[in-house]
Amino acid sequence: DVKVTQSSRYLVKRTGEKVFLECVQDMDHENMFWYRQDPGLGLRLIYFSYDVKMKEKGDIPEGYSVSREKKERFSLILESASTNQTSMYLCASRGSGTQGYTFGSGTRLTVV
Amino acid sequence: AQRVTQPEKLLSVFKGAPVELKCNYSYSGSPELFWYVQYSRQRLQLLLRHISRESIKGFTADLNKGETSFHLKKPFAQEEDSAMYYCALGVNQAGTALIFGKGTTLSVSS
Repeated sequence: DVKVTQSSRYLVKRTGEKVFLECVQDMDHENMFWYRQDPGLGLRLIYFSYDVKMKEKGDIPEGYSVSREKKERFSLILESASTNQTSMYLCASRGSGTQGYTFGSGTRLTVV
Repeated sequence: AQRVTQPEKLLSVFKGAPVELKCNYSYSGSPELFWYVQYSRQRLQLLLRHISRESIKGFTADLNKGETSFHLKKPFAQEEDSAMYYCALGVNQAGTALIFGKGTTLSVSS
């Protein structure tokens, strides 16, 4: 019954590594989103995509990039991981209309 | 600019007490408002949408455009309601994302 799948639940990476976080949805949704969730800061939007190969910066895009080559897959890339990118990363998708989001279970990334 | 404010980081109540989680928004147009809940070790899930006017798990929320509020209420809290609650604002415009508040942790004790 899982509709939004994030490939890793926990990741530990070293400073300077290039990190890929993968997200796949099976609901044929046009819109996909990446947020990071930090205590006391809530959910902050990193990037989103409203169509294949389209992307829009969110509130905190610095240090991140994204890729959406297929409708069902939206990847978040940390070009050179830093310790301040240690966080919970949440992927979500949304169809058209006034539906809410469906979230993945999250990836807890630790950069050491 | 659009903004969502949840003034309480933590709300602690006793089982059976009424609960009100506050949410205020800033948006000049016609908003879409949502409440999301995250139970311990579970994914974030949709609790309520203002447009559907449902009651889920005993929770209700009414959109008050005059006060720009969308407070979440439950008359009698249960221990299983303990969770993190996020209020979110959507603007009815293609190519936009939900704006979330910082969240309120609800703790219900017996």
